[in-house]
Amino acid sequence: SAVISQKPSRDICQRGTSLTIQCQVDSQVTMMFWYRQQPGQSLTLIATANQGSEATYESGFVIDKFPISRPNLTFSTLTVSNMSPEDSSIYLCSVQKGSNEQYFGPGTRLTVT
Amino acid sequence: GENVEQHPSTLSVQEGDSAVIKCTYSDSASNYFPWYKQELGKRPQLIIDIRSNVGEKKDQRIAVTLNKTAKHFSLHITETQPEDSAVYFCAAIFQGAQKLVFGQGTRLTINP
Repeated sequence: SAVISQKPSRDICQRGTSLTIQCQVDSQVTMMFWYRQQPGQSLTLIATANQGSEATYESGFVIDKFPISRPNLTFSTLTVSNMSPEDSSIYLCSVQKGSNEQYFGPGTRLTVT
Repeated sequence: GENVEQHPSTLSVQEGDSAVIKCTYSDSASNYFPWYKQELGKRPQLIIDIRSNVGEKKDQRIAVTLNKTAKHFSLHITETQPEDSAVYFCAAIFQGAQKLVFGQGTRLTINP
């Protein structure tokens, strides 16, 4: 598996502001992903964070709203920009190890007021 | 399109009984099917997975079966215990984009 940490673990933010979430893994990984999980819901993929190139976004998610950085093989950030209450959710990073296995970070609980 | 359907959405069983959760997927090229367990306030944890070259895999009290022809796979938990209470998610990998798509989740409650 992998040891994955996220910062912050939770935050309460004002609408219109931005929050950057960090994801750190204890070993180099090729694939890192960012998901959103709204209360009581399943996991929705936001984007795949590619090292050395732009992230690949899923339908309904755009770079201006969710810019992603992947400066190296152990670290990625997701920014939630110009937040509104609808962005209140849990944001999780995951990493792919071995052949397709994905392991999740502990998540960041975001509340936008 | 890319879709994974999971049933039931909630399941309640008596302690010691078995629980079965079923998923269907849309991409016949999918070849990897993991199951995750998520306890309240915790991260999803990978508990078992199966690849398309096998029909069944067991790990102690949990097992997963795969029917490629019908494009469905199931999680079986035997001799359920209170600590099995959680939300379970199935997923399938969509080869075109190398990404996991998750089912809607099943809230499993084990009644003592």
